[in-house]
Amino acid sequence: EVQLVESGGGLVQPGGSLRLSCAASGFSFSTYWMSWVRQAPGKGLEWVANIKEDGSEKNYVDSVKGRFTISRDNAKNSLYLQMNSLRAEDTAVYYCASGYSVDVWGQGTTVTVSS
Amino acid sequence: QAVLTQPSSLSASPGASASLTCTLRSGINVGTYNIYWYQQKPGRPPQFLLRYKSDSDKQQGSGVPSRFSGSKDASANAGILLISGLQSEDEADYYCMIWHSSASVVFGGGTKLTVL
Repeated sequence: EVQLVESGGGLVQPGGSLRLSCAASGFSFSTYWMSWVRQAPGKGLEWVANIKEDGSEKNYVDSVKGRFTISRDNAKNSLYLQMNSLRAEDTAVYYCASGYSVDVWGQGTTVTVSS
Repeated sequence: QAVLTQPSSLSASPGASASLTCTLRSGINVGTYNIYWYQQKPGRPPQFLLRYKSDSDKQQGSGVPSRFSGSKDASANAGILLISGLQSEDEADYYCMIWHSSASVVFGGGTKLTVL
């Protein structure tokens, strides 16, 4: 069974940092683009970042450039999102998703940025 | 102007068909893009429905019923998700997506479909 499981969310103060993880199983992780997509409370989907199969290409939405870093460890079938200088507007459910079609999604992990 | 624009809401009756539109910003030609569609129900992650580029280049999501289909309206520069034989379980939020410039991804704002 194809599965993505996110972890690492929580409550953090503005200016703080968090590292999200996504554990993949049931498919050949190293052959898929991977993405992070977030959804603020009551809002729509917002793509955050993606990374090519071998990690050689990374792309970010403008609002997180310079603050967030996407990475992957193909040996561990894992995707990561290092989030620094967090702001209130980063509060959201963060999903990891696989494939060029972004066709498999995890259940999400909640990040709350508040003092 | 947003890259992808979707109507915020749409209502339709059970058994009828619903046509959800995703309009691309002027200057972005719908004919050159794959349009991806997702369904999201409350409290659940999005589910991939289908990818549509043309009638000869399309992909249905795993387990997605054939009453969900894609098309394009070139004159409106829009992608379309057609849901036929509407059922109460189709009530959800629907999002379109494209891979835009420099391998970035863009989602539309979503359409809330009510079946009543």
